Amino acid sequence: TQLLEQSPQFLSIQEGENLTVYCNSSSVFSSLQWYRQEPGEGPVLLVTVVTGGEVKKLKRLTFQFGDARKDSSLHITAAQPGDTGLYLCAGRPPHGSGYALNFGKGTSLLVTP
Amino acid sequence: DTGVSQNPRHKITKRGQNVTFRCDPISEHNRLYWYRQTLGQGPEFLTYFQNEAQLEKSRLLSDRFSAERPKGSFSTLEIQRTEQGDSAMYLCASSPPEGLQYFGAGTRLSVL
Repeated sequence: TQLLEQSPQFLSIQEGENLTVYCNSSSVFSSLQWYRQEPGEGPVLLVTVVTGGEVKKLKRLTFQFGDARKDSSLHITAAQPGDTGLYLCAGRPPHGSGYALNFGKGTSLLVTP
Repeated sequence: DTGVSQNPRHKITKRGQNVTFRCDPISEHNRLYWYRQTLGQGPEFLTYFQNEAQLEKSRLLSDRFSAERPKGSFSTLEIQRTEQGDSAMYLCASSPPEGLQYFGAGTRLSVL
């Protein structure tokens, strides 16, 4: 069961453009994490959001947790080629399943010069 | 400490052979997790250790898969009688109690 739906699945933009990717669920999560993964590498943790409505900024990246803690978004301002990668959202399922993270399928971002 | 370390990075094997992967977590982390990732998918949970105790296993972890963490430090994941469907990236993560999970670079398995 895919608890976290990410959109879009693929995104190709030019350097300097802005973009937003989304992570949605019908379930409430106590927190959500965003990871970035490059080909052949493991996911690298970018941020965790915990409080409904929370906004966190990491340089040109802005992360928001929905008020109901069912969704999150990642906005990138003035994208650069170094932002290219697979962006994954993840959270612990709300019931059972202990400490395992449930991941979305990811948004694959390509930023061309 | 340089983070979670996984070995080997790549493994090519023939169908039917056994393979073993190793994960060295961040030293102060008592929790260790194994995930599997196939092309176009996010990582899927396989199993979880707290210290040396294996506390949770996914239905994805068939009888051919076994994981150990004998001294509560490094962990091994063994796949017996590999099948082509086992081809994937195998990821290890570790965390402190109630903390965030940090991933290794993974082991890419190709079963021919």
